[in-house]
Amino acid sequence: QQQVKQSPQSLIVQKGGISIINCAYENTAFDYFPWYQQFPGKGPALLIAIRPDVSEKKEGRFTISFNKSAKQFSLHIMDSQPGDSATYFCAASMILGNTGKLIFGQGTTLQVKP
Amino acid sequence: NAGVTQTPKFQVLKTGQSMTLQCAQDMNHEYMSWYRQDPGMGLRLIHYSVGAGITDQGEVPNGYNVSRSTTEDFPLRLLSAAPSQTSVYFCASSRTTGPNPAEQYFGPGTRLTVT
Repeated sequence: QQQVKQSPQSLIVQKGGISIINCAYENTAFDYFPWYQQFPGKGPALLIAIRPDVSEKKEGRFTISFNKSAKQFSLHIMDSQPGDSATYFCAASMILGNTGKLIFGQGTTLQVKP
Repeated sequence: NAGVTQTPKFQVLKTGQSMTLQCAQDMNHEYMSWYRQDPGMGLRLIHYSVGAGITDQGEVPNGYNVSRSTTEDFPLRLLSAAPSQTSVYFCASSRTTGPNPAEQYFGPGTRLTVT
């Protein structure tokens, strides 16, 4: 059972455009929603994360939008750059009592064309 | 800090062979985990540990064993390799307390091919 569903599987955006990746989760007990960025040949690295008590979190060009009632969250990359070309994973976790075990989405391969 | 290290980086096994993937972290993290990454499947949790002497199964544990005798090390053992275990394996660690207890730090991965 896939508890976190991610779309699209791949995305091509022109330089300067907005990249949007969506995730939906099923378990309402999840209370931590991170996004990881992975470059080819490397391990994933934390990009940005949000807790369900806020609807939006912004760090530079990266923004997470969170809709608790719809059980959805999304990553927006503003002014996308070729250096943003990577695979992005959303994830969900239960902080309290669960020791931080992460459930990942399927991943989105982003290509930003110059 | 070296962070999370994994060895080897690449490995080719024949069906039926066994091997151990090594993982070590120097951040004194309580939580360590193993994932496998396959195209279109994301990262799937194999096994995890919340501290020395404590391990548990993740989503896809069959064919793999783990143990955690120290805080720093968390090896993954393939008992009898099968072609279905061809994948990229990542080890990760994190705190279990503090402001971001689920922020996981990943190693560089081990690319395993089973023929």
